[in-house]
Amino acid sequence: NAGVMQNPRHLVRRRGQEARLRCSPMKGHSHVYWYRQLPEEGLKFMVYLQKENIIDESGMPKERFSAEFPKEGPSILRIQQVVRGDSAAYFCASSPPTRDQETQYFGPGTRLLVL
Amino acid sequence: GNSVTQMEGPVTLSEEAFLTINCTYTATGYPSLFWYVQYPGEGLQLLLKATKADDKGSNKGFEATYRKETTSFHLEKGSVQVSDSAVYFCALTPDYKLSFGAGTTVTVRA
Repeated sequence: NAGVMQNPRHLVRRRGQEARLRCSPMKGHSHVYWYRQLPEEGLKFMVYLQKENIIDESGMPKERFSAEFPKEGPSILRIQQVVRGDSAAYFCASSPPTRDQETQYFGPGTRLLVL
Repeated sequence: GNSVTQMEGPVTLSEEAFLTINCTYTATGYPSLFWYVQYPGEGLQLLLKATKADDKGSNKGFEATYRKETTSFHLEKGSVQVSDSAVYFCALTPDYKLSFGAGTTVTVRA
């Protein structure tokens, strides 16, 4: 049973470019969460999505960041006009469609470097 | 709000030594508590969890007990191996929004 998959694993962008991070949840999982890990810090919640719905985006920066989880295909975290402060590891997690949403399975992360 | 405080690292140990990583939390209500482990270049793996006071989570020789009176969830292992070298994160959630500590880097030397 494949785990949570993220790609790319490493992404380099110049300031002002767009970054697209992809996440395929575990088979059978319909809940996706995105977290950001800044250097020397713990992970911080960004957004919680179910298929075609954003449930909680309280951790998302108000500008330049967006997330989606379409009916078909992976979840996408999109960062427009990246700045150096966006450099971080972005982790996706998923959970099954049950009440146990607290048990989340994490992907390997995408490490974004903004030059 | 919810927050987690972990002992700062890095922690360096010899093989077969005893490991303790302290974790305290602040939360409203009755959150579930977790320990995650992150090996170099990989994502986080759930190590153990406890969902209510006095519960003990255990896995792979690691243990942690949910102590409501001291708001703590300290991680322990009696005899570490080189393969236990990793970053350990304490976390909590009342629902789905995990709050993590800053992580503790553990290095075990042969």
